[in-house]
Amino acid sequence: GQQLNQSPQSMFIQEGEDVSMNCTSSSIFNTWLWYKQDPGEGPVLLIALYKAGELTSNGRLTAQFGITRKDSFLNISASIPSDVGIYFCAGQLTGSSNTGKLIFGQGTTLQVKP
Amino acid sequence: NAGVMQNPRHLVRRRGQEARLRCSPVKGHSHVYWYRQLPEEGLKFMVYLQKENIIDESGMPKERFSAEFPKEGPSILRIQQVVRGDSAAYFCASSLIYNEQFFGPGTRLTVL
Repeated sequence: GQQLNQSPQSMFIQEGEDVSMNCTSSSIFNTWLWYKQDPGEGPVLLIALYKAGELTSNGRLTAQFGITRKDSFLNISASIPSDVGIYFCAGQLTGSSNTGKLIFGQGTTLQVKP
Repeated sequence: NAGVMQNPRHLVRRRGQEARLRCSPVKGHSHVYWYRQLPEEGLKFMVYLQKENIIDESGMPKERFSAEFPKEGPSILRIQQVVRGDSAAYFCASSLIYNEQFFGPGTRLTVL
């Protein structure tokens, strides 16, 4: 089945630093999504990407949909303590022959030192 | 503007009992997805439903698990004769169209 490789697995950074994480897949997707999960909560959608090559920002977050449609990255600039959490990438196939289920990466755990 | 609601938030069952998890999607959303998350892992797709129809159950274990999304009322994920390996967080997501899925807070199932 489809699998996503997300890296790094964990990061421990100083407040104010920039963060980068990425996901790669052995197969193509036509939508990439990035979610953040806090302990004991459900994933919250951060950014959705619909087009190969698309670069989208949401505040301090920037994400890109790779040209090959097999990868995506997420950057967080000037990290703050509330950025702590687990970040998940998810790939999705949509269209008439697909059901839109999400395939998730293993997650990147981010810790920020004040 | 209520988001996805799930209840209960925490559920404890003894081996052999039944677990019933409920999900109320965002108002107006007709697509519901269920995912399972084991500790320290990502979410794994289980089943996709539209009103009164199961569209894709390729991620659902063949036995003991069932799901429904009736015309009226919440979507239900039912696990019969639970075993310790069923202990996990179960998340429901809803969407209006295929693309953006919004998740509920999850139900944490513990099997003793």
